[in-house]
Formats: sequence, structure tokens, C-alpha cells
Amino acid sequence: GDSVTQMEGPVTLSEEAFLTINCTYTATGYPSLFWYVQYPGEGLQLLLKATKADDKGSNKGFEATYRKETTSFHLEKGSVQVSDSAVYFCALRPATGANNLFFGTGTRLTVIP
Amino acid sequence: EAEVAQSPRYKITEKSQAVAFWCDPISGHATLYWYRQILGQGPELLVQFQDESVVDDSQLPKDRFSAERLKGVDSTLKIQPAELGDSAMYLCASSPGLVQNTEAFFGQGTRLTVV
Repeated sequence: GDSVTQMEGPVTLSEEAFLTINCTYTATGYPSLFWYVQYPGEGLQLLLKATKADDKGSNKGFEATYRKETTSFHLEKGSVQVSDSAVYFCALRPATGANNLFFGTGTRLTVIP
Repeated sequence: EAEVAQSPRYKITEKSQAVAFWCDPISGHATLYWYRQILGQGPELLVQFQDESVVDDSQLPKDRFSAERLKGVDSTLKIQPAELGDSAMYLCASSPGLVQNTEAFFGQGTRLTVV
């Protein structure tokens, strides 16, 4: 079935460090891929998305590239800030059939000054 | 900016009591989802509506959970009786329709604690 695997957390970085959060997926065809962010006590906010192979989604300095050959959608940011501290979820929407989102387990990021 | 509204934000209830959550999706969004998020995990789908019809409730524990979207707009999720293991964040989300490449828009969630 469709699923998403995220790197285990938590991740702790110093301000201005480079961030990578790994995400790989299992799905048939070409699913749409998403990164959501969740701040403490809040719901999920869309961070970025990519809907076809080789697409790059980007927002607020974050980016991720849809790699069909490696079934990956890794999240990166060149220089993190304290305000980026949150939980990040990778998700997919299947290309056919089920029209809901399948989420990874989330990766907690803490950025220290 | 349009938002998904949920209430209450927090709910504490005793085991075996009934509890209900309400969700008002973004206006015009035909698809509505209820997800459950256990602490430290990703959200998992409980039920999905297309307008007023249920299109997926395969993961909804139907012996105690029920959901409705009577007029195809707002929705209610009910648990009766609540159990300790139901403590979680309940998230409502909506999207414009059955389009594969659109995202879902989430509300702020209802944090349920069963004591």
C-alpha cells in the first residue's frame, strides 16, 4: 500500500546550520508529495508541494525535489532559524484510488541560538 | 484568508462519557476529512466525506465513533463511550474536491484528553 517513511528525530541544530530531513515513499504511479509543518498545539500548515517527477517545491527558504528514481522528497533549508523549530511531516496523495493524505511519523526540529 | 474552523480547541472528558467535535471547512470545499493524531505520530485518516457522502470510513472504529456531514457543509465527529486510548488530537481538513494534486487545509485541531 501507499506509505511514507521519514527519518527518525528529533533533530537539533544551531541557528544558520543546514537542514536535511529525509523522506521516502512507496506508491504506484506518480503521487503528489507534500511537506507540512506543525507548531506546538497547532494544526498542520502546508509548507510546500510537488505534483510530478523532478518538480521542486519551495517556500520560506525550504525546498524539496520530487525524485521518482529514488522515490524520495527530502526537505532542505540552507540556514535554519529558531523560528523553524517545529514538527515536519512528509505526506503523499496517491495518483489513483484513495484521495486522502498518507503521512509520515513526523520529525521534530529544534533550532538553538 | 479562509480557514477550517474547529471547536472546541481542548476537551477533557471522563472515560465512558460521550464527546463531540465540530468542524466547518473552507467555503466551497467539497471534501472533508477527519484525522486522528496520537502524540508523537503522524495523522491517520478516520473518515472522508465528499459533499454529504462518506467515501472512506474504513479506519473509523464504528462501535464507538460516528461522523456526519448532513448538508455537505459542516461536520460533527462523535465518540461514545470515550476510552482512555482515544486521547489524541483530532484534526479536520478540507480540500476543493477529488483532484489528486491539491493539498488539504487543516484546522487547529481539538485536543482530547480522556481521564
